[in-house]
Amino acid sequence: DSGVTQTPKHLITATGQRVTLRCSPRSGDLSVYWYQQSLDQGLQFLIQYYNGEERAKGNILERFSAQQFPDLHSELNLSSLELGDSALYFCASSVEVRPYEQYFGPGTRLTVT
Amino acid sequence: QQPVQSPQAVILREGEDAVINCSSSKALYSVHWYRQKHGEAPVFLMILLKGGEQKGHDKISASFNEKKQQSSLYLTASQLSYSGTYFCGTEIEYLWGNEKLTFGTGTRLTIIP
Repeated sequence: DSGVTQTPKHLITATGQRVTLRCSPRSGDLSVYWYQQSLDQGLQFLIQYYNGEERAKGNILERFSAQQFPDLHSELNLSSLELGDSALYFCASSVEVRPYEQYFGPGTRLTVT
Repeated sequence: QQPVQSPQAVILREGEDAVINCSSSKALYSVHWYRQKHGEAPVFLMILLKGGEQKGHDKISASFNEKKQQSSLYLTASQLSYSGTYFCGTEIEYLWGNEKLTFGTGTRLTIIP
């Protein structure tokens, strides 16, 4: 158990819909990262927040947005969903602002039908 | 730029050694290694920083050739528990304020008794 929690575990929704994925980092970790992992693909970095502020950005679509709240939990919002958005979404956390020694949550499996 | 990992897959018998390579076309500040077992989240193994600092995992070692932008992960006397997909993540130098990891597509390691 990494100490990072993600909800929900599974999510099935239709194209065009909007969903919110939630992540709680390990106690004491200030950085939260979001990754997308498609079938047989590697981990695609989406975005990082550090202590409430956006820190680094990857190939995140404009339809996706995220935020980190004062209690350091983070949410990833995915809107106007397409079939291609079906993937495993991981949240990770770390102590530092740099992307070192990240602890990954169990992931949210999103299926868009 | 996504780092290139080789081999894509390898099958070993228990007790044999394995080497997994990671190569980037960009100047790197750090290289990170993670292992992901099937159906689970990635787990941090090792980080190698430019200048030689290394944080790691016992029984698993790695090297970082800063001039060639290459890293290798060495798994000696492999155990069944080493099975999984290994990802290298690279942090490009000089991206201050936008440090992020770009992961390779992974190397699937299968250890058989």
